Amino acid sequence: DAKTTQPNSMESNEEEPVHLPCNHSTISGTDYIHWYRQLPSQGPEYVIHGLTSNVNNRMASLAIAEDRKSSTLILHRATLRDAAVYYCILRDDLGTQGGSEKLVFGKGTKLTVNP
Amino acid sequence: DADVTQTPRNRITKTGKRIMLECSQTKGHDRMYWYRQDPGLGLRLIYYSFDVKDINKGEISDGYSVSRQAQAKFSLSLESAIPNQTALYFCATRGPMNTEAFFGQGTRLTVV
Repeated sequence: DAKTTQPNSMESNEEEPVHLPCNHSTISGTDYIHWYRQLPSQGPEYVIHGLTSNVNNRMASLAIAEDRKSSTLILHRATLRDAAVYYCILRDDLGTQGGSEKLVFGKGTKLTVNP
Repeated sequence: DADVTQTPRNRITKTGKRIMLECSQTKGHDRMYWYRQDPGLGLRLIYYSFDVKDINKGEISDGYSVSRQAQAKFSLSLESAIPNQTALYFCATRGPMNTEAFFGQGTRLTVV
């Protein structure tokens, strides 16, 4: 499985934007970039995913580098409820078995949001 | 009802006991997963299943076994629990291709 590298922790202030980076230099052409987050005492939840183009949804934006070797999850206005561990995952979503079908998580980035 | 339900939510058991953790999902998905989470280690994959006839080992399957009783049910068993299996266990499910995964609320297992 292609690996991702994220900072262990980041800190932000409430109502400010947050940019969470992820490096994935060994990404293959068929790997999608997925982000999940885990709030305290809960299971992980899906945030966003993309392949090549930048993506936006109600929760966040995903900016993908042109060479796809890195990406950034953007929370436009952090709230206290955004304090969580954020995971960047690569997944081959072309339906091939094995590989990224395993949905492998790293250690993620712990985001602290200050009031 | 939750998309993914895990039972029990908390369990304390003794070393050497057999224990089963259960997971059921209402999403109608084929793929189901079991993970364990230890402090500072993120989530590690134990077993995964693509359908009722397909079971696969993950990163850390030793000491664990699973059963896929139906599309909606995927159970994790510890045949003889040991203290280093004390952890938070998560079940997850997802559909085919380019779809998000849904996780249960977790089972906190303590082996004493």
